[in-house]
Amino acid sequence: DGGITQSPKYLFRKEGQNVTLSCEQNLNHDAMYWYRQDPGQGLRLIYYSQIVNDFQKGDIAEGYSVSREKKESFPLTVTSAQKNPTAFYLCASSPGTGFPPSSYNEQFFGPGTRLTVL
Amino acid sequence: QQQVKQSPQSLIVQKGGISIINCAYENTAFDYFPWYQQFPGKGPALLIAIRPDVSEKKEGRFTISFNKSAKQFSLHIMDSQPGDSATYFCAALNYGQNFVFGPGTRLSVLP
Repeated sequence: DGGITQSPKYLFRKEGQNVTLSCEQNLNHDAMYWYRQDPGQGLRLIYYSQIVNDFQKGDIAEGYSVSREKKESFPLTVTSAQKNPTAFYLCASSPGTGFPPSSYNEQFFGPGTRLTVL
Repeated sequence: QQQVKQSPQSLIVQKGGISIINCAYENTAFDYFPWYQQFPGKGPALLIAIRPDVSEKKEGRFTISFNKSAKQFSLHIMDSQPGDSATYFCAALNYGQNFVFGPGTRLSVLP
């Protein structure tokens, strides 16, 4: 059963603590992404990785960190430096980033993790 | 400009009616335009996508209309059903860059 899994579904964190969100895919996709979603806003890109051991900052990378040690895994750490971390976090993957853009670039999303800072 | 504008912010339609959501962009380098459907508490799922070399694409009750000269594209949901109630996002992709998403439209279809 192929897909993207994210865990946990809900996460509560005290201020000042780092927390790591898990994202795993068994689709054999090369590219993986992390987005943040706030109410009434679109998806904002945090980090992305096009290949193992390489990743790039997105539009809102400050206060976040990632690693890509395995093709199927792309964990996101929300650090204490992130000033407003309460949000819905979405992980996605795509087969690659081919040209011309087509379904090869299409992103498949996980079910999300809702992080609440207490 | 990397922004994608989307309207309306929310939409209420009667069952059986047509739902229309509009998006506009500035960057002429965008050349792939997907629409995503998201139910509460779930991740978005691809609904339908279009390349700018066609003006219309239809899949079941869902149709994308694309106007390249106006830099606009829209999603039409025919015979809208209560099960279509969700948030819809348009997006645009430029090769070598990443997807840019619109802010979303919350659709409610009344029974």
